[in-house]
Amino acid sequence: GAVVSQHPSRVICKSGTSVKIECRSLDFQATTMFWYRQFPKKSLMLMATSNEGSKATYEQGVEKDKFLINHASLTLSTLTVTSAHPEDSSFYICSARGGDSQRGPQHFGDGTRLSIL
Amino acid sequence: QKEVEQNSGPLSVPEGAIASLNCTYSDRGSQSFFWYRQYSGKSPELIMFIYSNGDKEDGRFTAQLNKASQYVSLLIRDSQPSDSATYLCAVITNAGKSTFGDGTTLTVKP
Repeated sequence: GAVVSQHPSRVICKSGTSVKIECRSLDFQATTMFWYRQFPKKSLMLMATSNEGSKATYEQGVEKDKFLINHASLTLSTLTVTSAHPEDSSFYICSARGGDSQRGPQHFGDGTRLSIL
Repeated sequence: QKEVEQNSGPLSVPEGAIASLNCTYSDRGSQSFFWYRQYSGKSPELIMFIYSNGDKEDGRFTAQLNKASQYVSLLIRDSQPSDSATYLCAVITNAGKSTFGDGTTLTVKP
């Protein structure tokens, strides 16, 4: 149980392109979803937290207009990297937490490796 | 002071030994504690969670929680080369915030 599907797994595109990444909870309702980015051999960096039907809460230093997050349903959240540039190249990972409790674990998707040329 | 601290390592143990990974946290009111394993180039996967003081065992893994001392540890018995990975400690604070440590890299040598 607690499967999170993230798509696509890899994206290579030109600078200036907008890229959308989807995160779906397949067998549970995700009341809270999280978006992280991770550079090679570095720590997970939380970008934003979103609750279904609410605006995402962004971490300090993360540009809201650059990284658009939509958590439209209890099973789907999307991250759109707008007008991507080479410095946006990274490993983006979503996670989801389900149920009414705020104490439960996060379940991670497989991540999306984004490369901007 | 970081909210969740881990020794970055690398921690190296021989195959068959016990690997001990430690984590301390700053919020005394923290409620939930998790250990994730992350292989290089992959996303984290949950391996253990613990909510109450004491030990919790699952196969070769044992999580230990001591709220008074504000630390949580993970023991891996009979370590295997396939256990080589980065282990992330995560805590949910009293305010409901999820915080990850920077991870400890474990290498199990055949």
